[in-house]
Amino acid sequence: DIQLTQSPSFLSASVGDRVTITCRASQGIRTYLTWYQRKPGKAPKLLIHGASTLQSGVPSRFSGSGSGTEFTLTINSLQPDDCATYYCQQLNSYPLTFGGGTNVEIK
Amino acid sequence: EVQLVESGGGLVQPGGSLRLSCAGSGFPFSRVWMSWVRQTPGKGLEWVANINQDGSEKYYVDSVKGRFTISRDNAKNSLYLQINSLRAEDTAVYYCATEGWLVGFDFWGQGTLVTVSS
Repeated sequence: DIQLTQSPSFLSASVGDRVTITCRASQGIRTYLTWYQRKPGKAPKLLIHGASTLQSGVPSRFSGSGSGTEFTLTINSLQPDDCATYYCQQLNSYPLTFGGGTNVEIK
Repeated sequence: EVQLVESGGGLVQPGGSLRLSCAGSGFPFSRVWMSWVRQTPGKGLEWVANINQDGSEKYYVDSVKGRFTISRDNAKNSLYLQINSLRAEDTAVYYCATEGWLVGFDFWGQGTLVTVSS
């Protein structure tokens, strides 16, 4: 199984900060990497697929990059509404797996 | 508007069974892969199973193989998950989701809670 390791597991940043979350895969997954945002009590929301393709309707302050085994999710100019847990997921091979999540808090 | 509504969760004893359902609307149900994903208490997300458009392909995470069965009824726009031999570690909120090919889970339901406890 492909393991996805996210770092950090928790971060606290101020409104307007640039935030970067890393997702490392235990083996190469090309660009079959998706990012989700999950808020308490709500279903996850797909933000980015194909490592860097922004899902329709997602604010442009979100961006993704990477290929192979290392990926990043960047939030430019953090907003209060971005307070959530972020997960990466690989679709390269079964079983489909998720990272452990990164909890983003607003200072 | 895409809607996915799960039902069938509840409290069940270890070794028991449940059948989860997911009703889809607002999209061409019969044309999309569908998945079940769960979130366990205090832990993250775990993909459980998925099924292709006509039900001829099904995949499962190892921990549920032989105990869980995914199925669908395209005439009823419905997805199902039969869960047997339940264990405490199966306690979770179960979500159904549409699955875009190599995209991920683009639409989700609100989830149904399964609690396994004696």
